Amino acid sequence: QSVLTQPPSVSGTPGQKVTIPCSGSRSSIGTSAVNWYRQFAGAAPELLIYFNNQRPSGVPDRISGAKSGTSASLAISGLQSDDEADYYCATWDDDLNGPVFGGGTKLTV
Amino acid sequence: QVQLVESGGGVVQPGRDLRLSCVASGFTFGSYGMHWVRQAPGKGLEWVAVISHDGSEKQYAESVKGRFTISRDNSKTILYLLMDSLRADDTSTYYCAKDRGSYSSSIFDAWGHGTQVTVSS
Repeated sequence: QSVLTQPPSVSGTPGQKVTIPCSGSRSSIGTSAVNWYRQFAGAAPELLIYFNNQRPSGVPDRISGAKSGTSASLAISGLQSDDEADYYCATWDDDLNGPVFGGGTKLTV
Repeated sequence: QVQLVESGGGVVQPGRDLRLSCVASGFTFGSYGMHWVRQAPGKGLEWVAVISHDGSEKQYAESVKGRFTISRDNSKTILYLLMDSLRADDTSTYYCAKDRGSYSSSIFDAWGHGTQVTVSS
């Protein structure tokens, strides 16, 4: 099982806002910034959010990230059908001394 | 434009070894840390190993420590992963990923398309 906990799936309707939670521990999210990755079916992952809430160029501002204590979340507003993908949170874990991922959340629109 | 192209995957028997390669282009390869991340069929992402920009520092996931070796050739802009004593649970798609910093910021800002490794007798 993964060091970071995410729900296996979330769903929403077009135009709606959804939030994907990511729960960690003091040695992971409690200490380090959280990054989010998106993976479309059959494709490689891509960076979506880094340093908790920073968007790489090209990522629209309807996608946002937040962190509080040992938890983080990814919010997607104005849902579109092409938002359907798997979403992974990730951070550094001091106890494991390496990057760790959540189990991934499948978003269905 | 950053490009990472993996190769070297295939079907291999348990206990055998395999070397993966990742050819990088579109950025100053020798300035950035590089990672291998894998994904078993139908499963999530698992970090495997990281190497610093100059190759002086390396770290491995516990699941591969002592069996896998990460290395790089900055003159050829190639990242490698030598996998020894392969097991069935090493079966995965292996991605190379560029770090945002010179070692391991754990921000993977570019990914290759992946290469499939299947360990089976």
